[in-house]
Amino acid sequence: NFMLTQPHSVSASPGKTVTISCTRSSGSIASGYVQWYQQRPGSAPTTVIYQDNERPSGVPDRFSGSIDSSSKSASLIISGLKTEDEADYYCQSYDSSGWVFGGGTKLTVL
Amino acid sequence: QEQLVQSGAEVKKPGASMKVSCEASGYTFAGHYLHWVRQAPGQGLEWMGWINPSTGGTNYARDFQGRVTLTRDTSISTGYMELTNLGSGDTAIYFCARGPSLNFDFLRFDPWGQGTLVTVSS
Repeated sequence: NFMLTQPHSVSASPGKTVTISCTRSSGSIASGYVQWYQQRPGSAPTTVIYQDNERPSGVPDRFSGSIDSSSKSASLIISGLKTEDEADYYCQSYDSSGWVFGGGTKLTVL
Repeated sequence: QEQLVQSGAEVKKPGASMKVSCEASGYTFAGHYLHWVRQAPGQGLEWMGWINPSTGGTNYARDFQGRVTLTRDTSISTGYMELTNLGSGDTAIYFCARGPSLNFDFLRFDPWGQGTLVTVSS
């Protein structure tokens, strides 16, 4: 199996852009689609990005995703930050053994 | 509207077993894998395993093999997660989530159940 490594925390001001990285420990980042989940305190996670860069209906286009095979990393980019974006964000992917979550990143909107 | 509703909070003693239910509505229960994820207090998400509701086939994360059993009752669109030999490290919120369809499109966990808090304490 593999691990997904995320920064423990990131912060930025309202209106700015923030990028959260997710690095795969082994195997190509492109070998399994990457999803991103937002989790606010006391709530279940919700999907903000699936299949690397697809947005579910209802998720604003301020959220985008990308992968970089050379660095084995995926990124969640949130532009035009709003205070409501403050939450924990988790990346997720899979291989033939099962599914893996990153450790999560706490986003603080200052 | 697709929805997963889980059973209520439980308190268990060390060494006991737990069983959480997850009732699906608003979609074809047998058409999607059902996953289970747990979250210890203040910690991240940990994938536990999936069940194919159509066949009953399962796949468990290595850390839970031998202690977890996923089952389902398609007649009432409900999945179950049983975890045995509980220890204090099993205190967590347990979530079910609809996963990919059986032909592996719809590649995300959505929706999630509301979570079930299980506290293991003597």
